[in-house]
Amino acid sequence: DAKTTQPPSMDCAEGRAANLPCNHSTISGNEYVYWYRQIHSQGPQYIIHGLKNNETNEMASLIITEDRKSSTLILPHATLRDTAVYYCIVRVNWGSSNTGKLIFGQGTTLQVKP
Amino acid sequence: NAGVTQTPKFQVLKTGQSMTLQCAQDMNHEYMSWYRQDPGMGLRLIHYSVGAGITDQGEVPNGYNVSRSTTEDFPLRLLSAAPSQTSVYFCASRPGGAYGYTFGSGTRLTVV
Repeated sequence: DAKTTQPPSMDCAEGRAANLPCNHSTISGNEYVYWYRQIHSQGPQYIIHGLKNNETNEMASLIITEDRKSSTLILPHATLRDTAVYYCIVRVNWGSSNTGKLIFGQGTTLQVKP
Repeated sequence: NAGVTQTPKFQVLKTGQSMTLQCAQDMNHEYMSWYRQDPGMGLRLIHYSVGAGITDQGEVPNGYNVSRSTTEDFPLRLLSAAPSQTSVYFCASRPGGAYGYTFGSGTRLTVV
């Protein structure tokens, strides 16, 4: 699976949009971009995923560049409860010996401040 | 629908003891995985399974065994516990296709 690069930390003011970037310049055509977060010592939580189109759900939006080499996770109105480590992961979903593997990197620690 | 259930939530072992961490999911998910997370560090994949009867090694498999005899259960066995295995262990599952993993709440293991 392609490697990803994320900034180690970011701050965001409460109520403002949090934009978390991720670089995945070696992504292959069949690899999806996934975002998870981990709040304190809880189990990670799935947020959103996409292949090449922008995606939105009740938690966040995912913007993927046209060349697919980078993406941005957007939390539209960040709250204090969104303070967490956010992980961007790239992986295949079918037809690969790596299909079942989900490898976490170091992620971005997002601190939402009042 | 309980999701992913891990037991026990806390465990203290003596060096050399063996034990099994239990993981069960009631969502009929095809894929299951075990991770460990050491204090202040990221998650590392121990073993994973792509279906009943099929398992494979992750990043840090040494000292751990797994089996998957049913779709629902994916136990993790520590053969001879060592202090280096003190960690928080997370189990996760997902269905086939382009879906995200659902994680359990973790087992906090201390080996003394």
